[in-house]
Amino acid sequence: RKEVEQDPGPFNVPEGATVAFNCTYSNSASQSFFWYRQDCRKEPKLLMSVYSSGNEDGRFTAQLNRASQYISLLIRDSKLSDSATYLCVVNRRNNDMRFGAGTRLTVKP
Amino acid sequence: DVKVTQSSRYLVKRTGEKVFLECVQDMDHENMFWYRQDPGLGLRLIYFSYDVKMKEKGDIPEGYSVSREKKERFSLILESASTNQTSMYLCASESPSRAEQFFGPGTRLTVL
Repeated sequence: RKEVEQDPGPFNVPEGATVAFNCTYSNSASQSFFWYRQDCRKEPKLLMSVYSSGNEDGRFTAQLNRASQYISLLIRDSKLSDSATYLCVVNRRNNDMRFGAGTRLTVKP
Repeated sequence: DVKVTQSSRYLVKRTGEKVFLECVQDMDHENMFWYRQDPGLGLRLIYFSYDVKMKEKGDIPEGYSVSREKKERFSLILESASTNQTSMYLCASESPSRAEQFFGPGTRLTVL
């Protein structure tokens, strides 16, 4: 079983839709959590950190549920430019980040 | 802005060749990482370094070695390239304050 699991998708949604991705992790001692975004043929870039209290950045909301060991990302009012692969990342301890394989999102006009 | 550069975007090598992949960061970060990314598997850590001349094995170090002679430069070496090392190789540098990793553009290596 992979340490960080994501639904690979693809998720195909129309512009303006709300879409949610989930990610589960197996190591209960994991300390910090992130969502990265990776465009086609590009490097991953940090989208947002995920805090226990949940956090919002514009149209993006990230939630952490430590008891159930999952992380979610909600995108509201999807834009064409949101099309990318979203990587769930779990930091077990310093220098030990674990990446999910990614969820691919395509937003269509 | 943090900048992480990698020596090549695309590389084609033959089985048995020695391959050097270089990574340079300009933010004076201590921690640097080498990953490979394969479809369906995500990023897997090959090696990381937390200081000059210091290195630690990641999850898949077999067939690879690394060198960190200067803080800004972290090199990945394939001693004798094999076809199963065909992959996208990504270097990253880590900000200590946020634990955020900054990635280079990647090197797509094909071993024939």
